[in-house]
Amino acid sequence: LAKTTQPISMDSYEGQEVNITCSHNNIATNDYITWYQQFPSQGPRFIIQGYKTKVTNEVASLFIPADRKSSTLSLPRVSLSDTAVYYCLVGPLDTGGFKTIFGAGTRLFVKA
Amino acid sequence: DAGITQSPRHKVTETGTPVTLRCHQTENHRYMYWYRQDPGHGLRLIHYSYGVKDTDKGEVSDGYSVSRSKTEDFLLTLESATSSQTSVYFCAISDSGATNEKLFFGSGTQLSVL
Repeated sequence: LAKTTQPISMDSYEGQEVNITCSHNNIATNDYITWYQQFPSQGPRFIIQGYKTKVTNEVASLFIPADRKSSTLSLPRVSLSDTAVYYCLVGPLDTGGFKTIFGAGTRLFVKA
Repeated sequence: DAGITQSPRHKVTETGTPVTLRCHQTENHRYMYWYRQDPGHGLRLIHYSYGVKDTDKGEVSDGYSVSRSKTEDFLLTLESATSSQTSVYFCAISDSGATNEKLFFGSGTQLSVL
């Protein structure tokens, strides 16, 4: 599975757009990029997944450049409740892996 | 939210005692997983199940056993708890078991072994 690198922590203010970048230089052709969000005292929650270009849902946008060696999770107009740890995962969608690996993630702290 | 219930939510026990954590799902998903989360280590897979009575080891399985007698229940047992097993334990489920497929997590069990 491709190794991922993301910032350990980030600070932001309410109402700002937050972009969290994840590097995955060894991404394979059949790998997808997935982001999870974890609030304190809760399990991780799926946010978004993509393969290339741009994916958008009601929570976030995911930007993936043509070379796919990095990706950026964009959270529009964050609020205090977006304070959480965000995990970037890279791997294939094939069956039988059972090896979804979570790294340390990025701790986002949103201030008033 | 996915119907996943973990019990107990908190547990304090003594070294050497057996402990069983329960994960119950109402989604009828085939795959179930147990993870532990520790500061500095992220989430690490302990054991997983791909069907009733079908289980396999993850990356940190030593000291743990699991059982799945029904689709909806996945039990994690610490046969003789040690202080190194103090952690937050999360159960997760998925539909197909694909490596990077969407996982749904429970709210976790905080276990303290004294």
